[in-house]
Amino acid sequence: GQQVMQIPQYQHVQEGEDFTTYCNSSTTLSNIQWYKQRPGGHPVFLIQLVKSGEVKKQKRLTFQFGEAKKNSSLHITATQTTDVGTYFCRGEGIYGGSQGNLIFGKGTKLSVKP
Amino acid sequence: ETGVTQTPRHLVMGMTNKKSLKCEQHLGHNAMYWYKQSAKKPLELMFVYNFKEQTENNSVPSRFSPECPNSSHLFLHLHTLQPEDSALYLCASSQDTVEEEQFFGPGTRLTVL
Repeated sequence: GQQVMQIPQYQHVQEGEDFTTYCNSSTTLSNIQWYKQRPGGHPVFLIQLVKSGEVKKQKRLTFQFGEAKKNSSLHITATQTTDVGTYFCRGEGIYGGSQGNLIFGKGTKLSVKP
Repeated sequence: ETGVTQTPRHLVMGMTNKKSLKCEQHLGHNAMYWYKQSAKKPLELMFVYNFKEQTENNSVPSRFSPECPNSSHLFLHLHTLQPEDSALYLCASSQDTVEEEQFFGPGTRLTVL
């Protein structure tokens, strides 16, 4: 079945350091979404990538969608303590809009030391 | 505040109890979802409703029974649950389809004793 592997599972950084999390799918995706979940909170939508090779930026966050539409990354430049949380991706299979094709990564838990 | 509310926020129940989780969205969306979030596991999509009609049931045991009386409300009825059903249950909504941005509620933390 379709799977999305997300690495690393945990990342501890010093404030000011960069951070990257990666999602790799076993199959081609039609799109990928990224969410952030603060400790004790609920997932909050960050962005959706649809096009092959797409790159989007939100302030210090850079999102990329691979050329083959099988992998994606989220990069945070100069992390801040407010970046703490779990970042996870959600891929959608290419075979129509069936909700059964939604695949979630396990998430990367980011902690930032001041 | 995302416009999606869930009650109760915390629930402890025995295996023989019957309880219901409630979700309400104030965003005018037409699609609503139930997710299960367990520790160290990916978010699991349980049920999807579009325009009050259930369009997906991802092999969820029958001890979980969803109900969507209108586009703004979604319930998850629980009965004879197992301890492994303890998890955070999240409700979400989107405008029309699963491809769109989803707005999540705060979740109900369920503990089954």
